[in-house]
Amino acid sequence: SAVISQKPSRDICQRGTSLTIQCQVDSQVTMMFWYRQQPGQSLTLIATANQGSEATYESGFVIDKFPISRPNLTFSTLTVSNMSPEDSSIYLCSVDDTAGGYEQFFGPGTRLTVL
Amino acid sequence: RKEVEQDPGPFNVPEGATVAFNCTYSNSASQSFFWYRQDCRKEPKLLMSVYSSGNEDGRFTAQLNRASQYISLLIRDSKLSDSATYLCVVNRGDYKLSFGAGTTVTVRA
Repeated sequence: SAVISQKPSRDICQRGTSLTIQCQVDSQVTMMFWYRQQPGQSLTLIATANQGSEATYESGFVIDKFPISRPNLTFSTLTVSNMSPEDSSIYLCSVDDTAGGYEQFFGPGTRLTVL
Repeated sequence: RKEVEQDPGPFNVPEGATVAFNCTYSNSASQSFFWYRQDCRKEPKLLMSVYSSGNEDGRFTAQLNRASQYISLLIRDSKLSDSATYLCVVNRGDYKLSFGAGTTVTVRA
């Protein structure tokens, strides 16, 4: 499976600021996704990162708060904008490179704490 | 109703024991099912895919009952290293996945 890296691995930020998280894959993949995992919770899909077009957001998530870029088939960024303590979470990117198998593989995650 | 519901546990079992737990899903259009394992403070990792009535991988057996819309995972001869949270994951009928809240398993010496 693809090797996925994320930067930063963790950060502590002040409320009102923004943080951009990078996701890099070692091979070209069609589908990339961004998830949030709040403390003690399971994973919630934020959006699908589409190469060359706007991301597709899930209910409850909006582009102004979580802008996403996907300039090519190996890279994507998620920005958490105007942060509040409620944004403290682990943010994970995942890829589906199984040509229809729907299996997803995850990056190591970015642990964000907002003060 | 949640898309995927799991017994949260925790299941606390001795080494060598067998442990089994279930998950139910609400979307009858789902075609693909998975068990992921998540260790504390780590990302989820794919344990097994479940595409037909079920499959086996070493000490792990997954079963799928489409009529009743549930999936089970059985772990035989538990090892200390099996201690983790097991996530039931269901394809939503498109390329997106829905995650259960997880079942915590602790294997004690």
